[in-house]
Amino acid sequence: DAGVIQSPRHEVTEMGQEVTLRCKPISGHNSLFWYRQTMMRGLELLIYFNNNVPIDDSGMPEDRFSAKMPNASFSTLKIQPSEPRDSAVYFCASSFPGTGGGYTFGSGTRLTVV
Amino acid sequence: SQKIEQNSEALNIQEGKTATLTCNYTNYSPAYLQWYRQDPGRGPVFLLLIRENEKEKRKERLKVTFDTTLKQSLFHITASQPADSATYLCALTYSSASKIIFGSGTRLSIRP
Repeated sequence: DAGVIQSPRHEVTEMGQEVTLRCKPISGHNSLFWYRQTMMRGLELLIYFNNNVPIDDSGMPEDRFSAKMPNASFSTLKIQPSEPRDSAVYFCASSFPGTGGGYTFGSGTRLTVV
Repeated sequence: SQKIEQNSEALNIQEGKTATLTCNYTNYSPAYLQWYRQDPGRGPVFLLLIRENEKEKRKERLKVTFDTTLKQSLFHITASQPADSATYLCALTYSSASKIIFGSGTRLSIRP
């Protein structure tokens, strides 16, 4: 298995532009999570899905952020419009419920908004 | 709200010694407590999980303890090696289907 696959690996964009981050979870994993990591705030959960359904989006900072999971093998996190304070590393992770965790993380997308 | 505190931002120890990292939490105990390793530029990697009703879990040179009275977990690396240098994250889960909350991590450096 190739693990959790995220793209792009790096993204540099101008303030106000739309940014779309992509994630392919491990096949058979029913849960998918989007995290954001910064030096100041550490790893923060933005949203998670069980069986493609959003369960908790209380961590999504503002309406500028949205996430979708149209099928079991693909999810997107969109920021529109982007702002410099959105600069961070965004991680996607997946797991199989009932194991009590043991998330598998992707390599992350480093987003820089200038 | 639940808070997770990892004892220090950084820990430096001599190769061969045992490294001990601390994770403290407030309020109610989680169903599961986990430890992850993160290297620079990479995502966290799952190491060990310990359940609320377990006191200790081992995996090779790693050992995790869970004390629900003290609301604390200790993570030990015995016979530490420079390759163990990384940031170690403590994480809590309150049910098998719920989200994981991460601590801020402890950066461990093992000097030769």
